Amino acid sequence: GAVVSQHPSWVICKSGTSVKIECRSLDFQATTMFWYRQFPKQSLMLMATSNEGSKATYEQGVEKDKFLINHASLTLSTLTVTSAHPEDSSFYICSAGGDREEHGYTFGSGTRLTVV
Amino acid sequence: QKEVEQDPGPLSVPEGAIVSLNCTYSNSAFQYFMWYRQYSRKGPELLMYTYSSGNKEDGRFTAQVDKSSKYISLFIRDSQPSDSATYLCATFLNRDDKIIFGKGTRLHILP
Repeated sequence: GAVVSQHPSWVICKSGTSVKIECRSLDFQATTMFWYRQFPKQSLMLMATSNEGSKATYEQGVEKDKFLINHASLTLSTLTVTSAHPEDSSFYICSAGGDREEHGYTFGSGTRLTVV
Repeated sequence: QKEVEQDPGPLSVPEGAIVSLNCTYSNSAFQYFMWYRQYSRKGPELLMYTYSSGNKEDGRFTAQVDKSSKYISLFIRDSQPSDSATYLCATFLNRDDKIIFGKGTRLHILP
């Protein structure tokens, strides 16, 4: 149990366009999901906490208007990178806790975004 | 002091050896501990999840938590080249709280 699916796995977009990344919990309901960013050979950096039915909580320094998070249902959270620029190129990963105490947090497979 | 400390390595060991990976944490209130394995350009994969003190074994992997010394360990027996990856220790305070990660240890298993 506790499988998290993330799509797309990689995307290339032109500078100035927007990109949407989806994160789904396949076999459980997730009231909370987390979005991370990771640069090469660096650790995961938490960007925001996505709460079903309410606004996301962003970490300090993360631009809310650039990284739009929508947690519309208990199984889907989306991250939209708006007006993307080359410096937004990175590896984005989502995570969710299972619906049972014995489940740890599982991660999606990640999305590699390249802005050209 | 960081909440979770982990030596970034790299750690290189010969194939078949026992690998010991360790982390320390500062907040005695932490009760849930996880170990993740991350291959390059992939999301972290949950290897072990433990609650409170004690050992947990799954195949070649054993996770150990010593709350008295705030020390967590992951042992890999009969290490394989496919175990070469970055290993992250992690913890959280309460359900739906954010996860606190160590920096990750890069492990290389030499054939």
